Amino acid sequence: DQQVKQNSPSLSVQEGRISILNCDYTNSMFDYFLWYKKYPAEGPTFLISISSIKDKNEDGRFTVFLNKSAKHLSLHIVPSQPGDSAVYFCAATSGSRLTFGEGTQLTVNP
Amino acid sequence: DTAVSQTPKYLVTQMGNDKSIKCEQNLGHDTMYWYKQDSKKFLKIMFSYNNKELIINETVPNRFSPKSPDKAHLNLHINSLELGDSAVYFCASSQNRGGLAGSYEQYFGPGTRLTVT
Repeated sequence: DQQVKQNSPSLSVQEGRISILNCDYTNSMFDYFLWYKKYPAEGPTFLISISSIKDKNEDGRFTVFLNKSAKHLSLHIVPSQPGDSAVYFCAATSGSRLTFGEGTQLTVNP
Repeated sequence: DTAVSQTPKYLVTQMGNDKSIKCEQNLGHDTMYWYKQDSKKFLKIMFSYNNKELIINETVPNRFSPKSPDKAHLNLHINSLELGDSAVYFCASSQNRGGLAGSYEQYFGPGTRLTVT
């Protein structure tokens, strides 16, 4: 029962362009959403989050959009940089536990 | 000055052995977690402790036993290791158990890659 899905296992973009990572969820009880970034051989690190009462949250080059009716969120990175190359995990929660997606490998080419 | 540390980073052992993974956080957080990342790359919660009290206990074999001697430490002991236990295990911590805006952010350790042969 996969409640959080990231349907694209990988994404490749050119440096300076926009990266858009997508995430879908099925549990309507989720009320808080997060994005984590993970480099090889390291643990995930928190990137940005959004509450269900908002539809957008921006932090520098990173913006998360939430469409509750579609149960969809996305992470926009602009402009993309080679150092952004990592696995990005979407996560959602309705309480104390996080439910993670399977991740999307982003590769930013110089 | 590592916030969440785990030892060992790599662990190779034979089936049937008993092993422990240690986790420590110096962030002053109240809640700690163990996750398992399997071969399909999913991160799945196993256990969570809040101030040394077990608050999340997912459906994992009872060969896995968490121990929290204090709120800065959460160790994972695994008895009678099986091939299917091979995975990367991540420890994490957060300020509190959740329910408040901004409190869901969890800080992860670097992971322990367990290989059972």
